[in-house]
Amino acid sequence: QQQVKQSPQSLIVQKGGISIINCAYENTAFDYFPWYQQFPGKGPALLIAIRPDVSEKKEGRFTISFNKSAKQFSLHIMDSQPGDSATYFCAARSGAHITGGGNKLTFGTGTQLKVEL
Amino acid sequence: GAVVSQHPSWVICKSGTSVKIECRSLDFQATTMFWYRQFPKQSLMLMATSNEGSKATYEQGVEKDKFLINHASLTLSTLTVTSAHPEDSSFYICSARGQGTSNQPQHFGDGTRLSIL
Repeated sequence: QQQVKQSPQSLIVQKGGISIINCAYENTAFDYFPWYQQFPGKGPALLIAIRPDVSEKKEGRFTISFNKSAKQFSLHIMDSQPGDSATYFCAARSGAHITGGGNKLTFGTGTQLKVEL
Repeated sequence: GAVVSQHPSWVICKSGTSVKIECRSLDFQATTMFWYRQFPKQSLMLMATSNEGSKATYEQGVEKDKFLINHASLTLSTLTVTSAHPEDSSFYICSARGQGTSNQPQHFGDGTRLSIL
């Protein structure tokens, strides 16, 4: 199973609030989980990434929480700002040693975030 | 650092023509480049993986004779959409991964919007 399920599809948050986006996966060969931010008409930009040997990673206002046993990970955006309004994609990558699928990113379906004033 | 440039950013052409899209890594050498396709409000779908100096590996369902990929140098990969038709209209995005371990992150270009009339 290469699928990565992402929810919600869209999210509206008030300025200063916390935005939470969730992802779940099936393939236990995945060993790298990045989050990307994409603005309209632009390519995705790497926000933050985590490996399954840690349960949480924080960079500024962005935090990834990772639950290996549940095969779930989530992105938390603290103190959300209007400039954070974008589409967010989770992704997962299997190791290079995995035949046929190594090192390719599998993307979630995306979450359109709108932060209102 | 790690800038990936795509050209052109937007192209409109008539049905039946061929269109070439360039992907360049500006400040690093990319042993591997990836080509994605993204329809409006959808996720990125991997089309093919190209390694410098070798033939591209195409994902299932992607016509290799229609989407020609060349990765002739460590800083340039090209995607040529041959005999393009309106259904080929989409947002095409490349990414590049640097030399070193296979765990290097992918850096994305800003995409090329292709419209076939």
